[in-house]
Amino acid sequence: EPEVTQTPSHQVTQMGQEVILRCVPISNHLYFYWYRQILGQKVEFLVSFYNNEISEKSEIFDDQFSVERPDGSNFTLKIRSTKLEDSAMYFCASSKDRGTYEQYFGPGTRLTVT
Amino acid sequence: QQQVKQSPQSLIVQKGGISIINCAYENTAFDYFPWYQQFPGKGPALLIAIRPDVSEKKEGRFTISFNKSAKQFSLHIMDSQPGDSATYFCAAKDETSGSRLTFGEGTQLTVNP
Repeated sequence: EPEVTQTPSHQVTQMGQEVILRCVPISNHLYFYWYRQILGQKVEFLVSFYNNEISEKSEIFDDQFSVERPDGSNFTLKIRSTKLEDSAMYFCASSKDRGTYEQYFGPGTRLTVT
Repeated sequence: QQQVKQSPQSLIVQKGGISIINCAYENTAFDYFPWYQQFPGKGPALLIAIRPDVSEKKEGRFTISFNKSAKQFSLHIMDSQPGDSATYFCAAKDETSGSRLTFGEGTQLTVNP
């Protein structure tokens, strides 16, 4: 069964450093998402992406964040200058098309900012 | 307005029992209500979902009950098994604000053998 994959599984970085989290969505899916989950808290929406542009973003997704689909398979989340409060699990998700509501999540990348 | 309130925070059930998790919302524009199951260290996995035009949906041991007038929906796990022990999240999608999912706070379910 096709699944969303994410790399790395765990990323440790120092405050102020840039990180790039990578995702490979399910191959025939057209909508891509990033969510985050601070330890012990609920999952929070960051951004959705369709047709090579951001379709929606939350108030969390400020100028420090950016997303990109650099090729036909990868979808990335970049945090330019990490803060301690960026420490969280970051989940990539994808859905087939606009009319299909089901979103499928990857296993996540645990980001630890020290 | 955009929140989804989930209860209880934690739930302990005996094997074979029924687990019930409840969610409530205020936003009448929500048009899709999925439930996700999450095991430690894993991503949320879509379990079952419902749209507001039906009051109940059943898939195996999992049932969603939906009460549109009360703006509440619940997940029932029949014949609960130790392997069902996980965190369960309800979520909702607003038809007017794109495809973002708004999640509840989560319920940690423990099924004792």
